[in-house]
Amino acid sequence: GQNIDQPTEMTATEGAIVQINCTYQTSGFNGLFWYQQHAGEAPTFLSYNVLDGLEEKGRFSSFLSRSKGYSYLLLKELQMKDSASYLCAVRDSNYQLIWGAGTKLIIKP
Amino acid sequence: DTGVSQDPRHKITKRGQNVTFRCDPISEHNRLYWYRQTLGQGPEFLTYFQNEAQLEKSRLLSDRFSAERPKGSFSTLEIQRTEQGDSAMYLCASSSIESAGGLDEQFFGPGTRLTVL
Repeated sequence: GQNIDQPTEMTATEGAIVQINCTYQTSGFNGLFWYQQHAGEAPTFLSYNVLDGLEEKGRFSSFLSRSKGYSYLLLKELQMKDSASYLCAVRDSNYQLIWGAGTKLIIKP
Repeated sequence: DTGVSQDPRHKITKRGQNVTFRCDPISEHNRLYWYRQTLGQGPEFLTYFQNEAQLEKSRLLSDRFSAERPKGSFSTLEIQRTEQGDSAMYLCASSSIESAGGLDEQFFGPGTRLTVL
C-alpha cells in the first residue's frame, strides 16, 4: 500500500526554527510537494522536490532523500502567521498525489 | 480573480437528497481534480480530468458520486442520495501539463463544505 507519515502536531516559538519530517512509501515517485493549509482554507503550494537535496525559498526550505523515502520542511524565523497545517504529498507512478494527514504547527509567542 | 473558484461555499442538506457542486479552474489549466477532506486529514483523491476526459476515478468512490467536465472548462461533482458520512470539505484543484519544469503544481479552490443532516 501507499503511505505518507508526518507528525500530527508540533509546537514552536516565534522567531525560532522548526523542521517537519515526512516519510513515504509509494508506488513510484515523480516528485514531492509541501503545501500549507490554514484552518478552514484551501491548501497553498509551498515547495517541490524531485531530485535529492535542499531547495530554498526564502524562510522555507525543503529537503529530499529518495533512497530513504524522506523529506523535511524547514521553517526559519517563525512568525505567528505560520501557524497552520503542513501537508506532504508524493506524486506516484500514476502521476497522482498521495497526501499525508498533515502536521499542525502551533506557534507560541 | 483568476484563481480556482467553487460554488457553493457551504451546503447543508438532508440525508437522501442529491447535491451538485461546481468548480471553475484557472482558465489555461487543462487538468482538474476533485478531492474530499475531513478534519485532521489530508485531501483524499476522488477523480481527475484532463480536458474533458475523466482519466481516473478513485476505487473508494461509490456509484453515488459522479463528475463531469463537459467542455473541458468548469466541472460539476454530484452526490446522489447523500449520507451523513459524506459530510466533508470538497476541494477542487487545477493544474497545467505545460507548467515549467514539469512542476504541474495543483492550485486549489476555497472548497465546498457539505453538511448532511
